[in-house]
Amino acid sequence: AQSVTQLDSHVSVSEGTPVLLRCNYSSSYSPSLFWYVQHPNKGLQLLLKYTSAATLVKGINGFEAEFKKSETSFHLTKPSAHMSDAAEYFCVVTIHGSSNTGKLIFGQGTTLQVKP
Amino acid sequence: ETGVTQSPTHLIKTRGQQVTLRCSSQSGHNTVSWYQQALGQGPQFIFQYYREEENGRGNFPPRFSGLQFPNYSSELNVNALELDDSALYLCASSPSTGGFIYEQYFGPGTRLTVT
Repeated sequence: AQSVTQLDSHVSVSEGTPVLLRCNYSSSYSPSLFWYVQHPNKGLQLLLKYTSAATLVKGINGFEAEFKKSETSFHLTKPSAHMSDAAEYFCVVTIHGSSNTGKLIFGQGTTLQVKP
Repeated sequence: ETGVTQSPTHLIKTRGQQVTLRCSSQSGHNTVSWYQQALGQGPQFIFQYYREEENGRGNFPPRFSGLQFPNYSSELNVNALELDDSALYLCASSPSTGGFIYEQYFGPGTRLTVT
């Protein structure tokens, strides 16, 4: 079965310091992986995606993620946090080649707090 | 290019009633998925429609049903509402090539409150 585990429910950083949001995945098939961000009372916005091309993926707003198959990880990073980055972040896996092609499986989310 | 839109924004219903939520997919997208997001949780997959046919379903009872129309817009219907159905309902559309679906683009959601 496919699943994702976000290792931290809450991360707090100071503005200007690096951000690390951790995600491990489990998949029997070749996975596609995503990070989505959700600001309060808003829908979900795609930050970046991994679909078996380059293992280091660059997204919007300075975010990056690295796919590490040996560690089954897909951690999200940003060199310098901005106040506007405060939001809920979801790590997501989808699978191909099954009857539920395109079904997104979400982690529980990590709340990122950015302190001035 | 218009993104995914959903209506209504908010809805309050009484237990036992029925509700219909609507979604217009992004231009050029032929696949629509619906998700339920309870407070403090990640979204849970309800079902997906591809070219007007159901293309996968999550662990939701049959009182959750859907439709997709020829213009790829979609409806989510929930019968016999229960208090636990209170949630944010998210619609997502995606382009599909050869049956493979990659990223999905989400609408702002409909907040359903059941009292």
